[in-house]
Amino acid sequence: DIQMTQSPSSLSASVGDRVTITCRASRNIGTFLNWYQQKPGEAPKVLLYAASTFPSGVPSRFNGGGSGTDFTLTINGLQPEDSATYFCQQSHSTPWTFGQGTKVEI
Amino acid sequence: QVQLRESGPGLVRPSETLSLTCSVSRGSIYSYYWTWIRQPPGKGLEWIGYLHHGGTTDYNPSLRGRVTISVDKAKNELFLELTSVTAADTARYFCAVLVIPPTSGKGYYFDSWGLGPLVTVSS
Repeated sequence: DIQMTQSPSSLSASVGDRVTITCRASRNIGTFLNWYQQKPGEAPKVLLYAASTFPSGVPSRFNGGGSGTDFTLTINGLQPEDSATYFCQQSHSTPWTFGQGTKVEI
Repeated sequence: QVQLRESGPGLVRPSETLSLTCSVSRGSIYSYYWTWIRQPPGKGLEWIGYLHHGGTTDYNPSLRGRVTISVDKAKNELFLELTSVTAADTARYFCAVLVIPPTSGKGYYFDSWGLGPLVTVSS
């Protein structure tokens, strides 16, 4: 299985800050990397797929990058509603696996 | 957008079978691939498996032998069965759409998740 490791596991930031979360894959996954946002008690929602592609309706302050084994999710201009846990997930090969999550507190 | 809603017992006894139904509305079973994902309380996400209405399935090897995903096309419903459950199977269980982007080389992602009811395994 491909192991996905996120860092940090949690962070605290202020409204308007720029925040970066990293995700590392245990082997080369190209750009087959997705990001999800999960708020307490809710289901996850996809933020980005294929490392940097937006599904419709996702705010432009979220940006993704990277390829191979190292990826980043950046939130530009942090908003109160961005308080959530963020997960990366590889879709390179089954079993599809997730990172352990990064909790962002405002 | 397609909407999904899971239903089933909230409590299952150890060694018994966990059975969940995912009802699909505002969309057709024939239109998508379907997947189940679970999340133990306070923990991360684990992919369980996926199904295409044509019969193609794939399961997480960690659960293979205990898990079955099936579909009732007439009722527009998706099912999950997990046998011989233990406390380690206590989790929120989500059904979701497995999206294959129209542009090739973009992989897959999970969308339109259900609410993910908690299923507790306990005697």
